Amino acid sequence: GESVGLHLPTLSVQEGDNSIINCAYSNSASDYFIWYKQESGKGPQFIIDIRSNMDKRQGQRVTVLLNKTVKHLSLQIAATQPGDSAVYLCAGYPSNTGNQFYFGTGTSLTVIP
Amino acid sequence: SQTIHQWPATLVQPVGSPLSLECTVEGTSNPNLYWYRQAAGRGLQLLFYSVGIGQISSEVPQNLSASRPQDRQFILSSKKLLLSDSGFYLCAWTIGRGTEAFFGQGTRLTVV
Repeated sequence: GESVGLHLPTLSVQEGDNSIINCAYSNSASDYFIWYKQESGKGPQFIIDIRSNMDKRQGQRVTVLLNKTVKHLSLQIAATQPGDSAVYLCAGYPSNTGNQFYFGTGTSLTVIP
Repeated sequence: SQTIHQWPATLVQPVGSPLSLECTVEGTSNPNLYWYRQAAGRGLQLLFYSVGIGQISSEVPQNLSASRPQDRQFILSSKKLLLSDSGFYLCAWTIGRGTEAFFGQGTRLTVV
């Protein structure tokens, strides 16, 4: 389900450090997950996705980990840069049949120079 | 390439006035279309989605409605706006279930 009523958690990291942003889901039938980056006043931008038949997927400076046992998803950003400061949103399809997908609350990441 | 257009970017409307936000997609056919709302400092709430012309699924009963008069056009409407309708409205499309969604730039609606 959605967590839209909750305030955004925040995360502050030093420039150059690695960032880890977490997301939990409730439906074990969820089979596809997406991470988005949203800058202030803009629409979300796709970062990386992962399907339920995978545990890990890597992109450029980003890695998504999926733990189906505990229904947990994480986004790791290596060598965080000031331009990474944004809200990070996870989204998923709650079933393997429906066309609707839902977002978690999101995490506001601030990179300290 | 595919693009999504959403307008207007900002809108200030008085309470009780009507609303019409439009979203169009280019470069693809028969997309799934979505309307989301985002309150300040909050997550995205799914309002409506559509898998085809004239097919609308409502997620949250409220003061809004959606229509899809053409394959790549999705419209969000209200007959009478409430203060609680203020927020950031986002349109998105996918090529099908289990695929990434592409978002428009959003409309900032302020009801006064």
